[in-house]
Amino acid sequence: EAAVTQSPRNKVTVTGGNVTLSCRQTNSHNYMYWYRQDTGHGLRLIHYSYGAGNLQIGDVPDGYKATRTTQEDFFLLLELASPSQTSLYFCASSDAWGQSSYEQYFGPGTRLTVL
Amino acid sequence: AQSVTQPDARVTVSEGASLQLRCKYSSSVTPYLFWYVQYPRQGLQLLLKYYSGDPVVQGVNGFEAEFSKSNSSFHLRKASVHWSDSAVYFCAVSIYYAQGLTFGLGTRVSVFP
Repeated sequence: EAAVTQSPRNKVTVTGGNVTLSCRQTNSHNYMYWYRQDTGHGLRLIHYSYGAGNLQIGDVPDGYKATRTTQEDFFLLLELASPSQTSLYFCASSDAWGQSSYEQYFGPGTRLTVL
Repeated sequence: AQSVTQPDARVTVSEGASLQLRCKYSSSVTPYLFWYVQYPRQGLQLLLKYYSGDPVVQGVNGFEAEFSKSNSSFHLRKASVHWSDSAVYFCAVSIYYAQGLTFGLGTRVSVFP
């Protein structure tokens, strides 16, 4: 079965802190995504990637960097964390071909609190 | 740009009753449509999807959804809910190849015995 894992599952940091959220997928999928989930906003796309070394900007990219080091691993970086980035972060992956490229598999989420 | 509206933030139903969750979308073209479910402290799981063809699609755990192009809707139904169906349900659309999903705000379903 397709698998997307995220670490850490919970993270607390202070304003101005440096945070890295990790995502690994074992689906052999080309595409990976980072979303944030907030009450009143649903899920919003931050960044996504078509493959190792590729990065695409999503709908809410400000304050976030991302890096795709391998087909399996996608990282979300908050270099100067702010309280507005307190959220639940989800990683997802999808296949590269045809209709399957629209269907995404999600990880369990990382809850980030910025004090 | 596309958008998704789920007009009901919360729905409460009795166990064994039927359930309908509404979803309307706005898009320049007919999108691919999805329903996801999020159980407490878990990620999102795909319930069902619509790409084309028969407007009624079957999903997991007895869920089905009906696509209506004329109404720009993709409503989710279940004939008889169980307490384990308590969760948040998200409608999502995609029109661009591999460019991410656009989600509604979700509907929180509470099933009472």
